[in-house]
Order: sequence, then C-alpha cells, then structure tokens
Amino acid sequence: AQRVTQPEKLLSVFKGAPVELKCNYSYSGSPELFWYVQYSRQRLQLLLRHISRESIKGFTADLNKGETSFHLKKPFAQEEDSAMYYCALNTYGNKLVFGAGTILRVKS
Amino acid sequence: DTEVTQTPKHLVMGMTNKKSLKCEQHMGHRAMYWYKQKAKKPPELMFVYSYEKLSINESVPSRFSPECPNSSLLNLHLHALQPEDSALYLCASSQVSGRGARTEAFFGQGTRLTVV
Repeated sequence: AQRVTQPEKLLSVFKGAPVELKCNYSYSGSPELFWYVQYSRQRLQLLLRHISRESIKGFTADLNKGETSFHLKKPFAQEEDSAMYYCALNTYGNKLVFGAGTILRVKS
Repeated sequence: DTEVTQTPKHLVMGMTNKKSLKCEQHMGHRAMYWYKQKAKKPPELMFVYSYEKLSINESVPSRFSPECPNSSLLNLHLHALQPEDSALYLCASSQVSGRGARTEAFFGQGTRLTVV
C-alpha cells in the first residue's frame, strides 16, 4: 500500500534561516512525488514535481529512492513562505494521496 | 484556462436532504477527483474518474454518489448525510497517468459543506 509520512506537524524558523520539510514514502512501484502548498485562504496548489527537478520560489526537492525520501529544502526562508505544505504520492491509476502536512511558520 | 471551478462555495443541508456538488474544468484533463478535507487534516481521496469512468472508490459510503457526465464535469450527489460528513469537499483534475503525462493535479477552491 502507498503511504506518505511527514513527521513534523509544525516547523518554525526565523527569516533567512534554512528550511527542510521532511517527507518519506512507501510504495513498491515507481513513484511520482509532488509538493503542494496551501497559503492562507487560497486553494491547494502545486509547488514542485520530482520529475522536473526544478526550483520554484527557491525551493528544491530531490527524490532519494534508497531512503524513500523527498525532502523539501530552501536555503533562506522568507515570511511569505509561511503556509501548509503537503507531500503527495501519485501511483499508477492516478491514486494521489497526501501526507499529513507540515505547517511552516517563518518568524521575522 | 487553468482553473477548476466548484459550486456552490458553501452548502448547508439537513440530514434528509438531497443535494449535489458540481465541478468543472476546461484543461482537457481526463482524470478527475473528489477529496474530503476536515479542518487541520490533509485531503482524503474519495473517488477518481479516468476517461469518465469510475476507476477508484476508496470505500466511500453510498450516501455519496459521484457522476461524471462528460470530460469537463464532475458531480457529487449527496443524500442522507450525517453531521460528521461536514467538511470541505475538493475537486481536482489532471492528465491520466501514463508515459510522459504531467499528472500534477489542479484543485478547486472547494465546497464547504455543513450537515445539520
């Protein structure tokens, strides 16, 4: 069965500090992994997909199949990064499931 | 147009009522989803339609009945709901999984449902 684990409910950092939001997954096949973000009063939106290996708003995430991880990183946090972040796993058949989410709070 | 539109935004219904939630997208996506989201919890998958056919039902009670009348529309028919069904119901769409497909899901704003 597929499963996504985000161990931290809340991550609080100061502006300018590095950020790492952890995500581990469990799936026996070939996974597709995403990070979604939900800003206050806005809809859930895609931040990153592992396939594209891009950097969005300074965030990056690398798929590590050996450790079954897809951690989200940013070298210098900004106040506008404060939001709920979900790691999500898509498997064959479009079964897209979400981790429990991590609230990122960036303090000034 | 990269939006998924859901109506209504808010809905209050009694336990004996029948109502429907609607979702529309014009991105040419052939996978459409219903999720349920309780406060401070992640979205919980309910149903997936692929090419207008129900492909995933996550053991959802029969008082929730999905329908996909065409490739742009998705409905969720509600009947005899319980107060614990009160939640935010999210619709999403994406390309169908397959070689080279971009399967990231686009989400609607949701319908805030209250069952009284």
